Amino acid sequence: AQSVTQLDSHVSVSEGTPVLLRCNYSSSYSPSLFWYVQHPNKGLQLLLKYTSAATLVKGINGFEAEFKKSETSFHLTKPSAHMSDAAEYFCVASSGDYKLSFGAGTTVTVRA
Amino acid sequence: SQTIHQWPATLVQPVGSPLSLECTVEGTSNPNLYWYRQAAGRGLQLLFYSVGIGQISSEVPQNLSASRPQDRQFILSSKKLLLSDSGFYLCASLAPGYTFGSGTRLTVV
Repeated sequence: AQSVTQLDSHVSVSEGTPVLLRCNYSSSYSPSLFWYVQHPNKGLQLLLKYTSAATLVKGINGFEAEFKKSETSFHLTKPSAHMSDAAEYFCVASSGDYKLSFGAGTTVTVRA
Repeated sequence: SQTIHQWPATLVQPVGSPLSLECTVEGTSNPNLYWYRQAAGRGLQLLFYSVGIGQISSEVPQNLSASRPQDRQFILSSKKLLLSDSGFYLCASLAPGYTFGSGTRLTVV
């Protein structure tokens, strides 16, 4: 069984500064990895996914994530935070049986 | 593209009362369907999944059950709610690619 650990339950940044959300996975093989965002009262929206192609994955809204097998990490970054980035973010791993393992989530607040 | 309808968004129920959460899918046929739950401070945990009508697999023992009476309908139920059933419930579809509902926040009082 695989597990996903999001290292920060809450991240607060100023508008225009970089955002870093950390995620580590535990798996005996390279899983498919995803980052999802959930805004209040909305469904989960896919930001980006890694499926064993390029290790640097670019997603929507300026987000990107880098897969590092040696560190079993898949951290999410954005160079410049916007107020609309305030939301909860989930790191997710998928094994070959199409089941998803979710991290506990990271709540991002953006200060004006 | 797929769309998942999940309701209600929030629900407050007394201990011992029954529960029925419904999830319906549009835009695809024969999807894999999933029910997840997030308890406070924890990640989303898979409760049930279904690969077809009437086919339900349970991932964890619990006070809940699931049914799939139609191809695009997935129902989560309980006969008697416990305080520990409180949490955020999320329906998901895979056909292909994952689509998620907006979730139901259940508080058992």
